[in-house]
Formats: sequence, structure tokens, C-alpha cells
Amino acid sequence: NAGVTQTPKFRILKIGQSMTLQCTQDMNHNYMYWYRQDPGMGLKLIYYSVGAGITDKGEVPNGYNVSRSTTEDFPLRLELAAPSQTSVYFCASRPRDNEQFFGPGTRLTVL
Amino acid sequence: QQQVKQSPQSLIVQKGGISIINCAYENTAFDYFPWYQQFPGKGPALLIAIRPDVSEKKEGRFTISFNKSAKQFSLHIMDSQPGDSATYFCAASIRSSGYALNFGKGTSLLVTP
Repeated sequence: NAGVTQTPKFRILKIGQSMTLQCTQDMNHNYMYWYRQDPGMGLKLIYYSVGAGITDKGEVPNGYNVSRSTTEDFPLRLELAAPSQTSVYFCASRPRDNEQFFGPGTRLTVL
Repeated sequence: QQQVKQSPQSLIVQKGGISIINCAYENTAFDYFPWYQQFPGKGPALLIAIRPDVSEKKEGRFTISFNKSAKQFSLHIMDSQPGDSATYFCAASIRSSGYALNFGKGTSLLVTP
């Protein structure tokens, strides 16, 4: 199993541009999550999904959108990038027990 | 509002010493309390976790102590090693939020030789 994979690893965006952060897991986990990590602030939940076709907002959803059309994929969409979205983004998945498995992260800079 | 408060922000411990990181929470509905370890450039990885019906859990050199009445829990790293140098996050989750994790702000641990 590859676990949780994220692409790209790094990206620089200009203000107003859009992009999709990809997240795929091959463990057949129902639960998937997107977090952002800012220096000294821990990780904050952006969106989560409890299964294909079901998504819900987390603590910091503004400026982001998600979809979950398959169990494996949970892409995160930024429509109008802003400097405040400069961060490291982590995708995670979880089986029916409680451990969340994290991907390696995407480092995004908005200039 | 930070639902899980973590201290200290940074910690320096000599090799062989005990590292102690503390967390406190407000929401009594939380039912799962994990600790994650993160190395630079990597995603967090589960270290050890506890449920509120248990007061202590030990795995190797790592121990969680849990005080339900005080709404506090802590991580103890015994015989700390330079390889333990990393950032540690406590977290808490609840079933009604899809078990999404509420993280503390993290503790940067440095173990000196």
C-alpha cells in the first residue's frame, strides 16, 4: 500500500489563481480529512468526509471547496488564492478504528 | 478558539532525561486523545493514544497520563534520546465531528547529547 499520497509537493501561486490539491489513499478508508498547518499554530481542520458523496466543513473552510466522488480521492480546491492561504496542507484518512494516517503534505505559497 | 491547549511551546532535555508535555481540553464530549510526532518536512504520525476510561497507557518509553476530572492529559517520554527530537502534538476528537482531530499548537522537543 502506498498509504496517503498528495500532489504536488510544492506549489507557488499568484494571488487570484486557482488550483487543486490532490489526495489519494489506497487503504479503502471511509474517513478523509484536510488540515492546514501554519507555523506555531498546530493543524486546523478545513474539510472532512465520512464517505463518498458526503463532505462537511471544519474549522477554517472559507476559500476552499472539496468533493468526494470516490472512496480513494479527496481533492481540495482553492478558487481565488490569497496570501492568507500560504500554508502546508495535509490530507489524512482513517479506517473504522481511530488512527488517522497523514500524507506527506503540500507546501503552498501564494504571492 | 483553541479547544486543546498545549504546553510548553518548546522543551530542551538532556539525553536520558524525562520529557513531559501537557495538554488541557474543554469539551467533555471528546472521547479519543492521541499524541502525534512530526519530523521536519513530514506529516504527523501517531505516537500513542488513550481513551477517557483509562488513566494511563504505556508503550515502550512513551506514557500518556489522563486526568478526566481535571480535563488534562500529558505525554511522558522516558530515557529521552536525540532521535526523539521532533514536534509533538496532542489532539482530541469526537465521533459527531467525524473523528476529526482538534490539535494543540505543538511542542518542539530538542534532546541534547
